[in-house]
Amino acid sequence: GQQVMQIPQYQHVQEGEDFTTYCNSSTTLSNIQWYKQRPGGHPVFLIQLVKSGEVKKQKRLTFQFGEAKKNSSLHITATQTTDVGTYFCAGEDSSNTGKLIFGQGTTLQVKP
Amino acid sequence: EAQVTQNPRYLITVTGKKLTVTCSQNMNHEYMSWYRQDPGLGLRQIYYSMNVEVTDKGDVPEGYKVSRKEKRNFPLILESPSPNQTSLYFCASKDDRGPYNSPLHFGNGTRLTVT
Repeated sequence: GQQVMQIPQYQHVQEGEDFTTYCNSSTTLSNIQWYKQRPGGHPVFLIQLVKSGEVKKQKRLTFQFGEAKKNSSLHITATQTTDVGTYFCAGEDSSNTGKLIFGQGTTLQVKP
Repeated sequence: EAQVTQNPRYLITVTGKKLTVTCSQNMNHEYMSWYRQDPGLGLRQIYYSMNVEVTDKGDVPEGYKVSRKEKRNFPLILESPSPNQTSLYFCASKDDRGPYNSPLHFGNGTRLTVT
């Protein structure tokens, strides 16, 4: 079945350093979503990417969708302690069933 | 305020004692779903519902039941809980009417411990 692999599982950075998490799908995706879960909280939607090669920015966060629509990345520039949490990607396969497959998540720790 | 409400937030029970986790949404969403979150495994779908009286198995349905008698409610039932069902559970809903996948709105989670 469809799988979405996300790496790394954990990342510790010093405040001010950059951070990137990567998602790779075993199948072509019709779209991909990113969520953030703060410690003790629930996943909260960040963004959705639909087009091949799409790049979207939210302040210090940059989201990319690969040309082949099988991979995606989230890059945070100059991390802050407020960036702490677990970041999930979730892809919908190209059959457009509406089913989202979540990656395993990347947990980011930021040292002040 | 638009929200998904889950109860209880924390639940400790013993093996075999039936329990229900409630989920309610006030956004008139057709689609509702249950996930469990375990370390290193991300969010795995248990069951989902596309509309009233329509439910389908997700990736890990064994040991769980659901029902969708009303649009706003989607309870998760564990008829005979076992320790391997100890986990963090999330209910979620989304609007299914757009051309692309809509964002999921998650409840605050239920941390279940089965001893």
